[in-house]
Amino acid sequence: EAQVTQNPRYLITVTGKKLTVTCSQNMNHEYMSWYRQDPGLGLRQIYYSMNVEVTDKGDVPEGYKVSRKEKRNFPLILESPSPNQTSLYFCASSLDPQGFGQPQHFGDGTRLSIL
Amino acid sequence: GESVGLHLPTLSVQEGDNSIINCAYSNSASDYFIWYKQESGKGPQFIIDIRSNMDKRQGQRVTVLLNKTVKHLSLQIAATQPGDSAVYFCAAQADTGFQKLVFGTGTRLLVSP
Repeated sequence: EAQVTQNPRYLITVTGKKLTVTCSQNMNHEYMSWYRQDPGLGLRQIYYSMNVEVTDKGDVPEGYKVSRKEKRNFPLILESPSPNQTSLYFCASSLDPQGFGQPQHFGDGTRLSIL
Repeated sequence: GESVGLHLPTLSVQEGDNSIINCAYSNSASDYFIWYKQESGKGPQFIIDIRSNMDKRQGQRVTVLLNKTVKHLSLQIAATQPGDSAVYFCAAQADTGFQKLVFGTGTRLLVSP
């Protein structure tokens, strides 16, 4: 089944404790992206990647890192999480390497709570 | 920059009615639009898309209408069912070299039997 898989689905942690949210897709998509979703603000892009070893900032990249060492994986890293990063996070992928003209397919989300 | 907004935060309809969810965008260079459905506890699910060279596109029970003159698009759901209850997002994208997808905040569709 074609899908985007995120882990963990839920995480409660404390300020400053490094964490990684994994994202994997099995559709051989070039484009991958991370979003956060907050009430009243919709989905905002954190980082995106158009290919292996190619990543770029989205609208809200502060406090986040990503890497794209393999085509299928695009982990999101919070080096020193803070409470304002408490949010619902989504990973998405798209067939087109520039993410244009093809729908992005989303994972089921990771709910992070930073205390 | 681009902004995308939906007209109503909540839309309540009766089962069997037709639903219309509206969306406005600001960037006249936007030329690709997508509607997503998000159910509780799940990620956005692709419903239908449309490019700016089209005015209308139909899927199964859904139709998207695009009016580029007033920068407006709508999603019509025919014979709405309880399973259609969800939050619906529109998203817009411009082919300007930075292919960012901009999302609206969503309209919650409530379908009562």
